[in-house]
Amino acid sequence: KNEVEQSPQNLTAQEGEFITINCSYSVGISALHWLQQHPGGGIVSLFMLSSGKKKHGRLIATINIQEKHSSLHITASHPRDSAVYICAVRSPQAGSARQLTFGSGTQLTVLP
Amino acid sequence: DSGVTQTPKHLITATGQRVTLRCSPRSGDLSVYWYQQSLDQGLQFLIQYYNGEERAKGNILERFSAQQFPDLHSELNLSSLELGDSALYFCASSPGAAREQYFGPGTRLTVT
Repeated sequence: KNEVEQSPQNLTAQEGEFITINCSYSVGISALHWLQQHPGGGIVSLFMLSSGKKKHGRLIATINIQEKHSSLHITASHPRDSAVYICAVRSPQAGSARQLTFGSGTQLTVLP
Repeated sequence: DSGVTQTPKHLITATGQRVTLRCSPRSGDLSVYWYQQSLDQGLQFLIQYYNGEERAKGNILERFSAQQFPDLHSELNLSSLELGDSALYFCASSPGAAREQYFGPGTRLTVT
């Protein structure tokens, strides 16, 4: 079983829809990251969170430490949101174990 | 634009060859991370440097090595290249070890 599981793997939505991408992890963490990878390959860091909820524009990220679960929400989705969304977790342990472990990503396509 | 630069953007080389990938971190960032993204393995952490010193190692092959120079730029050296080394190689930087990471545009390596 992978340490970081994302669902769904693929998601197609109509413009304007509310979107949720889920991330579950099996280890204790010190932080969780949400990344966006554009079709050209570039990666942008969207959020880093260790508790609660963060909001940036139309994007909202939540995390439930007890349930080892995080969600990324996109409100009023737009075709430019089409990308791969990647969840990554950092262990609280020292050394190499503190580095990021990545989920396999969710491919989001928003149709006009 | 994250402020992290990577060169070259694309690299095509033959099996058995050696290549060097270069990364310049954001101004003021002391930590540099290298990641490999292949189709079958997804994103994987390779190695981290902090202010010139190796800080953590992940799934980095013995054929691969890296260093961070006094001006904080970093180089990833890949030798005895194999077909399976074809991947996107990302560099990221951050002010410190447990902070948000800013990704460069990546170098796409194709080994033929």
